[in-house]
Amino acid sequence: GAGVSQSPSNKVTEKGKDVELRCDPISGHTALYWYRQSLGQGLEFLIYFQGNSAPDKSGLPSDRFSAERTGGSVSTLTIQRTQQEDSAVYLCASSLQGNYNSPLHFGNGTRLTVT
Amino acid sequence: GEDVEQSLFLSVREGDSSVINCTYTDSSSTYLYWYKQEPGAGLQLLTYIFSNMDMKQDQRLTVLLNKKDKHLSLRIADTQTGDSAIYFCAERDQAGTALIFGKGTTLSVSS
Repeated sequence: GAGVSQSPSNKVTEKGKDVELRCDPISGHTALYWYRQSLGQGLEFLIYFQGNSAPDKSGLPSDRFSAERTGGSVSTLTIQRTQQEDSAVYLCASSLQGNYNSPLHFGNGTRLTVT
Repeated sequence: GEDVEQSLFLSVREGDSSVINCTYTDSSSTYLYWYKQEPGAGLQLLTYIFSNMDMKQDQRLTVLLNKKDKHLSLRIADTQTGDSAIYFCAERDQAGTALIFGKGTTLSVSS
């Protein structure tokens, strides 16, 4: 079946603008995750959803970052007043359940460039 | 907090075996994972091992787990140029929800 889908695949924006990144998880997966991948930094955990609620928002780097998930499916990551240090690849993943024995399945990511 | 360490680079010749090593900190980790990332793509799940196992084999891939030393390795037999990629080791966080990743090992295979 279809995997995790992210859009857009690439986004170039000017410093100070807001951006929205979208993630469509695998159908039936209740858990959804956002990560950020920066050059030389590895994968940084941002936020986790179980259903529509986010029990763990600890990784969001600042209050300019927010995320929501509706209908237990699509999620949107919003970055307000973008800064150059926000440039990175934003990866979304989903899993059948948010627990120990459910591996994460990743989308291809959105490459964000802030000029 | 949890931390996962990997060496950053590994270079091998085609046909040789590759061994990618990883250490982790959380002794309560129940599942440990290996992911592969090719250029411009997301992470692809390769294999995972439950903490009550010492070894898991899946075709050319062998995972070894030393729980006492918190050491995990991935061996790729008969490495091919198509295996060139970044390989990430990951453990579950203490809440059992998110995965904590290492910085990734770049595997370069020369013919």
